[in-house]
Amino acid sequence: SQKIEQNSEALNIQEGKTATLTCNYTNYSPAYLQWYRQDPGRGPVFLLLIRENEKEKRKERLKVTFDTTLKQSLFHITASQPADSATYLCALLDQTGANNLFFGTGTRLTVIP
Amino acid sequence: NAGVMQNPRHLVRRRGQEARLRCSPMKGHSHVYWYRQLPEEGLKFMVYLQKENIIDESGMPKERFSAEFPKEGPSILRIQQVVRGDSAAYFCASSSYNGGTDTQYFGPGTRLTVL
Repeated sequence: SQKIEQNSEALNIQEGKTATLTCNYTNYSPAYLQWYRQDPGRGPVFLLLIRENEKEKRKERLKVTFDTTLKQSLFHITASQPADSATYLCALLDQTGANNLFFGTGTRLTVIP
Repeated sequence: NAGVMQNPRHLVRRRGQEARLRCSPMKGHSHVYWYRQLPEEGLKFMVYLQKENIIDESGMPKERFSAEFPKEGPSILRIQQVVRGDSAAYFCASSSYNGGTDTQYFGPGTRLTVL
C-alpha cells in the first residue's frame, strides 16, 4: 500500500540547534516533493519544492534533500528559533498523472528557548 | 496580492443540515483543490477543479458531497445531510499549473463542526 511517513510525531530541540525532519514514502514515484509549515488553526504554508532529479535545495535557513533510492527526503532548519515551532508537512506529487498532493501526517517541532 | 480566501472560517451545523464552503483562489490561478483534515490525521485530497470542470473527484465521497467551480465566483464544496463524521477542517488550495511544477497555495481553512 502507499504510505508517506514522517518519523517523529513530535520533535523538541534547543534553540540554535539544527532540526532535522524525515519523510519516507512507499509505493510512490514522486515527480517532486514539497514541504509545508502549518501553525495551529491555520492552513499549510508552502516552504520548498524539490524535484526528483534534484539532490538538495536551500532557502535561507532551510535545506531539503531528496534521495529517490532511499525514498526519503530530509528537511533541515539551521540555527533554529522558537518562532520555527510548528507542524511541518511533507507532500508529494505522484507521477501517475494525478494532480493532487499526497501528504504525510506531519512532525510537530518545538524549539525550546 | 491576496492569497487564497475561504469562508466561513468556522461553520456549525446540526446533523441533517447542509454545509456550504467557499473558496476564492489566488488571483491568476485557475486550478482549485479541496482537502480534508481530520483531527490528528494528514490532509486528504478530495477534488480537483478547473473553471467549470471537475478534473478529478477520486477523493470525494460518492454521496452527499459535491463541488463546483463556476465561470464566475468562488469554488463551492457542498455537503448535504451532514453527519458527525463530517466534522473536520476543510482546506482549499489553488495553483497556476503550467505543466511543470504545481505549487499549491492553501487558504486558512473552514472548520466544520456537526452537532
